[in-house]
Amino acid sequence: DTAVSQTPKYLVTQMGNDKSIKCEQNLGHDTMYWYKQDSKKFLKIMFSYNNKELIINETVPNRFSPKSPDKAHLNLHINSLELGDSAVYFCASSQREAGKGYTFGSGTRLTVV
Amino acid sequence: GENVEQHPSTLSVQEGDSAVIKCTYSDSASNYFPWYKQELGKRPQLIIDIRSNVGEKKDQRIAVTLNKTAKHFSLHITETQPEDSAVYFCAAGLGKLIFGQGTELSVKP
Repeated sequence: DTAVSQTPKYLVTQMGNDKSIKCEQNLGHDTMYWYKQDSKKFLKIMFSYNNKELIINETVPNRFSPKSPDKAHLNLHINSLELGDSAVYFCASSQREAGKGYTFGSGTRLTVV
Repeated sequence: GENVEQHPSTLSVQEGDSAVIKCTYSDSASNYFPWYKQELGKRPQLIIDIRSNVGEKKDQRIAVTLNKTAKHFSLHITETQPEDSAVYFCAAGLGKLIFGQGTELSVKP
C-alpha cells in the first residue's frame, strides 16, 4: 500500500542509452516532483507538475524529459545517458494548496557505466 | 536565486546529548519550513515542520524554532539515541521546496 512508488529501484545502463523511470502516487495529491540526489546527498529539484501541467523546470539538460499522463503519474525519460547522470532520483508528491511537506518515493539509483 | 544554507555538514554527539542543526534561507516569501530525516539507502521522511506564523513547535524529543526576521530556523533533538543517526535536511519554500545541503548526524552509544 505504498503512497509514492517508483520503478525501477535500481538501474544500471551504458552511456548513450535511453531510459525511463516511472512514478505513481495514490495519495490524491495534485502536484508531483522529480529531485536528483547526487553523491554528496544534495537534493536538487528538477521538475514539478501540478494537475498534469509543468510548473517548475529547473536548469536541467534537454536530455531529461518529464511526462505526466495524469495527476497520479509522473515519469522521467532520459536520453543519451552520461556518466554524470549517475545519482538517486526521487519522485515526490504534495497537495499544493495545503502547503505541506512532500511524500517521497523510495528512489531510483541510476548508475551509468 | 533561492538558497538554503545548512550547518553543520556533520555532527557527532554522545547518546543522551542534544543536537542542534541550523538553516538560513534567502527567499523572504518562504512560509513553510519542513525537516526531513534520511536513513542510509532510504527515502527522506518528514519528521517535523513549522509555518511562518509560528515561532516554535515541539514533538516529543524534537523541536523547531523559526526567526523570520533573521531568516533562520533550527532543529533541536534532545536525549539523542543511536537510532537518531541519519542525514537531516531542512527545507524552505512557498510551494516549491529548496533543500539545505544536509547534516550527517552520528549518535555514539
